[in-house]
Amino acid sequence: EAGVTQFPSHSVIEKGQTVTLRCDPISGHDNLYWYRRVMGKEIKFLLHFVKESKQDESGMPNNRFLAERTGGTYSTLKVQPAELEDSGVYFCASSQDGLAGPQYFGPGTRLLVL
Amino acid sequence: GDSVTQMEGPVTLSEEACLTINCTYTATGYPSLFWYVQYPGEGLQLLLKATKADDKGSNKGFEATYRKETTSFHLEKGSVQVSDSAVYFCALHSGAGSYQLTFGKGTKLSVIP
Repeated sequence: EAGVTQFPSHSVIEKGQTVTLRCDPISGHDNLYWYRRVMGKEIKFLLHFVKESKQDESGMPNNRFLAERTGGTYSTLKVQPAELEDSGVYFCASSQDGLAGPQYFGPGTRLLVL
Repeated sequence: GDSVTQMEGPVTLSEEACLTINCTYTATGYPSLFWYVQYPGEGLQLLLKATKADDKGSNKGFEATYRKETTSFHLEKGSVQVSDSAVYFCALHSGAGSYQLTFGKGTKLSVIP
């Protein structure tokens, strides 16, 4: 069974540009999460989807970040316009059972904003 | 709010040495506790978990016991191998109506032959 996949693995963009990250969860997992790790800091929760609905977006830093999960399959996270402080590693995770089940993580997308 | 504090790294050990990575937490209610591991170039993998006080999680020779009285979940291994070199993250899920995990900063472990 394929794990959580993320694309791209790395992205280098200039301040003010737009970047879109993609996450494909494990097949059949209704719950999808986005997290972010800024250099030297903790991995922080961004938001949680149940199927195509946003269950919790309390961790989204500001309105430059837009997450979607059309059709309840893969998800995209768009940053527009990107700022220097957006640099970090963006992780996606999925789970079958939101409360009791473990979250399975992808390898992350390393974003560098210059 | 919820928080996790784990020992600062990096930690460098010789093969077959004993490992302890300290983790303490602050949370409302009765959280579930986790250790995740990230090997170079890979995503986070769940290493072990414990869902209630005094539970012991174990996997691949690693163990951690949920200590409610000291709010701790220290990761231990009796004899580390070079293949254990990775970054280890302690995390909690408070279960208080939210599905999000709260992580510590991670501890990088390097095991040398």
